[in-house]
Amino acid sequence: QPVLTQSSSASASPGSSVKLTCTLSSGNTRSVIAWHQQQPGKAPRYLMKVEGSGNYHKGSGVPDRFSGSSSGADRYLSIFNLQSEDEGDYYCETWNMNTRVFGGGTKLTVL
Amino acid sequence: QITLKESGPTLVKPTQTLTLTCTFSGFSFSATDVGVGWIRQPPGKALEWLALIYWNDDEHYGPSLRTRLSITKDTSKNEVVLKVTDLEPVDTATYYCVHLQYYFDGSAYVLDYWGQGILVTVSS
Repeated sequence: QPVLTQSSSASASPGSSVKLTCTLSSGNTRSVIAWHQQQPGKAPRYLMKVEGSGNYHKGSGVPDRFSGSSSGADRYLSIFNLQSEDEGDYYCETWNMNTRVFGGGTKLTVL
Repeated sequence: QITLKESGPTLVKPTQTLTLTCTFSGFSFSATDVGVGWIRQPPGKALEWLALIYWNDDEHYGPSLRTRLSITKDTSKNEVVLKVTDLEPVDTATYYCVHLQYYFDGSAYVLDYWGQGILVTVSS
């Protein structure tokens, strides 16, 4: 079963940029992952999938400020021009036909 | 537009069986590229995948609760039902129903829509 590792927390100022990292376990470094955003008190929301090539495909209505990228076993979520509503928990997820795995989540604080 | 909504009891007693229903719209199991899954989140904790079922009735379960879970679908009603047996207080969580979409670019089934969730409390 794959394992996803995320930093527990991150912080940045409004108007600045942040890059969140999700690291795939060895043997799964070519896998696709998805990023999900969970604002406080709300259900998660799908943001995008990020491929090992670095290509990413965003969900419906996701602002242009959000983008994805990849390097080796790492998958990234970049957020530009941070807004207060970007504060929340960000989870990465990977899968195969038989199983799905989530990372522990990164709590993003917009100071 | 795809929507999913969870329904069921919000308070159950230990040792009982929990039955949750996911009612969805905007897609159908008649399509050969969809699935529906269940994920839960204990208060203040991370997401945990529980189970999923594909359009062709293929079903899979997460390792931690595998022996206590059952997932079924009713194509005519656009519903998926999850049963969790032998409930304990640690099963207290918000349970989410999700949509899975198959991508032919090698991504396979992407989780791209979430329901609003239902908080289930297990307590005597």
